Amino acid sequence: GAGVSQSPSNKVTEKGKDVELRCDPISGHTALYWYRQRLGQGLEFLIYFQGNSAPDKSGLPSDRFSAERTGESVSTLTIQRTQQEDSAVYLCASSLARVRVGYEQYFGPGTRLTVT
Amino acid sequence: DAKTTQPTSMDCAEGRAANLPCNHSTISGNEYVYWYRQIHSQGPQYIIHGLKNNETNEMASLIITEDRKSSTLILPHATLRDTAVYYCIVRVVRGAQKLVFGQGTRLTINP
Repeated sequence: GAGVSQSPSNKVTEKGKDVELRCDPISGHTALYWYRQRLGQGLEFLIYFQGNSAPDKSGLPSDRFSAERTGESVSTLTIQRTQQEDSAVYLCASSLARVRVGYEQYFGPGTRLTVT
Repeated sequence: DAKTTQPTSMDCAEGRAANLPCNHSTISGNEYVYWYRQIHSQGPQYIIHGLKNNETNEMASLIITEDRKSSTLILPHATLRDTAVYYCIVRVVRGAQKLVFGQGTRLTINP
């Protein structure tokens, strides 16, 4: 079946502009996650959504970052007034979240954001 | 979640078994061991997970010591496409949860 998709694959923006990154999770996956990976670094958790529960926003680095999810489908990560340190690959993942062992996360290809 | 320690890098010859170690000496009884890998310019890929028994799937085998303080991921016949950063993650499974990635092991498969 189709995997997690993200768009755009690459985004170049000027400092100070707002950007929106989109994630389409695997159909039926109720949990959705956003991570960030700076060049040469490991993955940093940003936010996750689980069904109708309040999202876990504990990883968002500042109030310039926000995310929304429509039901159990598409999610949008918005970065306002972008800064050069926001340059990174933004990765989305989804997983099942029923009562079962596993909960393995499936990642999309990422959006490479470059702030000039 | 318990912390893990992995070697920074490893090399393996193509066709040979690649054995990637992971120490998780502070693991607690309800924590599982997960392995993911990230091939260059791609998102991470789930490989395998286990609690205390050894596990095998089409990608790899996971050997967990009896005291559960360490584990080894085995790629039985490594190919050039297995070159990637491999992450060992220990976590409690209680629903949807963020993954906490360390620095992982950069595995290079040499022809």
